[in-house]
Amino acid sequence: GAGVSQSPRYKVAKRGQDVALRCDPISGHVSLFWYQQALGQGPEFLTYFQNEAQLDKSGLPSDRFFAERPEGSVSTLKIQRTQQEDSAVYLCASSGRDFLGGTQYFGPGTRLLVL
Amino acid sequence: KNEVEQSPQNLTAQEGEFITINCSYSVGISALHWLQQHPGGGIVSLFMLSSGKKKHGRLIATINIQEKHSSLHITASHPRDSAVYICAVSSFLGNNRLAFGKGNQVVVIP
Repeated sequence: GAGVSQSPRYKVAKRGQDVALRCDPISGHVSLFWYQQALGQGPEFLTYFQNEAQLDKSGLPSDRFFAERPEGSVSTLKIQRTQQEDSAVYLCASSGRDFLGGTQYFGPGTRLLVL
Repeated sequence: KNEVEQSPQNLTAQEGEFITINCSYSVGISALHWLQQHPGGGIVSLFMLSSGKKKHGRLIATINIQEKHSSLHITASHPRDSAVYICAVSSFLGNNRLAFGKGNQVVVIP
C-alpha cells in the first residue's frame, strides 16, 4: 500500500535510553506532522515539517525531543534519555497540502513503553 | 479548557440505532476533522469540513460555524462501527496543526 508507515510498531526502552522513531510519509506529501497520544487521551501536536523545513516545534515537550526530515521525505523523531512519562503512542501524519486544512493521513503509530 | 470538547465521552447503542456524537470548539478554524480510531489501530480520516454537511455511506457530519459546533451521525449502526471517534480542528493560528478532542468511545452491541 501507499499509506504512511511507521517503524518500529512497538518499542520497549529502559529509562535513560535513547530511541529513534521513523516515519515514511505518502510519497510526494509536502507536510508531515508528529503527534503524541497518551493512553485514553486525544493526540497532542509535537512538530510540523513542510518539506525539509521544521516550521513548528512548539509542541515538543522538552529538549530531549528532536525531529528531523533532512531530505523532505522520511522523518525521524528522536527521544534522548527517555523517561517513563514519554510512554505513549507516537503518530505520524502527512498531507499533500502546504496550506491550512488539508486532510492528514495517519500512520499506525509507534507504541513506546519506557520502563 | 481544551480547545475541543466532545460529548458524550462514552456511548453504547444497540445495533441498528441512530447515533449522534458532538464536538464543540473555542477557536476560529479553517477546517474540522472527524477521525476514527479502532483499538490498537491507526487513525482514519472520515471527514474534513468547513461548512454545511457531508455524507459518506451511513455517516453524516454537520458543522455550524456560528455556534462552533459539529455533529457526527451514524445511521443504522453496526458493531463494526465500535471505535473512538475523534474531533480535531485546524486553526487559523495554528500552522495547519490539528488540535484534538479526547474522543467519543462508541460501542455498538449486536
